[in-house]
Amino acid sequence: DTGVSQNPRHKITKRGQNVTFRCDPISEHNRLYWYRQTLGQGPEFLTYFQNEAQLEKSRLLSDRFSAERPKGSFSTLEIQRTEQGDSAMYLCASSKNPGNTIYFGEGSWLTVV
Amino acid sequence: DQQVKQNSPSLSVQEGRISILNCDYTNSMFDYFLWYKKYPAEGPTFLISISSIKDKNEDGRFTVFLNKSAKHLSLHIVPSQPGDSAVYFCAASAGGSQGNLIFGKGTKLSVKP
Repeated sequence: DTGVSQNPRHKITKRGQNVTFRCDPISEHNRLYWYRQTLGQGPEFLTYFQNEAQLEKSRLLSDRFSAERPKGSFSTLEIQRTEQGDSAMYLCASSKNPGNTIYFGEGSWLTVV
Repeated sequence: DQQVKQNSPSLSVQEGRISILNCDYTNSMFDYFLWYKKYPAEGPTFLISISSIKDKNEDGRFTVFLNKSAKHLSLHIVPSQPGDSAVYFCAASAGGSQGNLIFGKGTKLSVKP
């Protein structure tokens, strides 16, 4: 499978715990994006990387959220001190270059109890 | 303030007929528009896109029309098939923010046999 890969696909955690999601983009895709989707809403942009550089962050990305792409390949999204409002699907996407079509992974579901 | 609006939460169509999904936007800086299809518990799948320099783009059963003066686009699916049943998201981006796709809330399409 050469699509965008995300894991874990599902995560249930207790409030206050930290969670980390991993994304492997399509090979040779320079751009990598993180989005969040809650029920009844469309995906909302969180942040994106051009290779290893994080170029834009949404105001939705509070200081409890941190994303990295250390070698310009895979990326991690960490949420510290999770809150119930963090429950959502976290979507990773990638594109080859700016302006190219953005392809999404299958998402990682987070439930904070 | 929603910049991309899909005012119909749901649409039901008979198999073989045309499905028309609508999308309105408010930001005149948007110059690239996309449609994604999403099944439950999966990430969005890219369907078709259109640049603001065009007014129509066609790919098989899918055609997207763009009316810039009305800030309106639509997705036509002809003929509709039961496998098309999914949530369809309209998304837009502006040239200076190629990483930031703004999504509508989606329209749930049901194609009945």
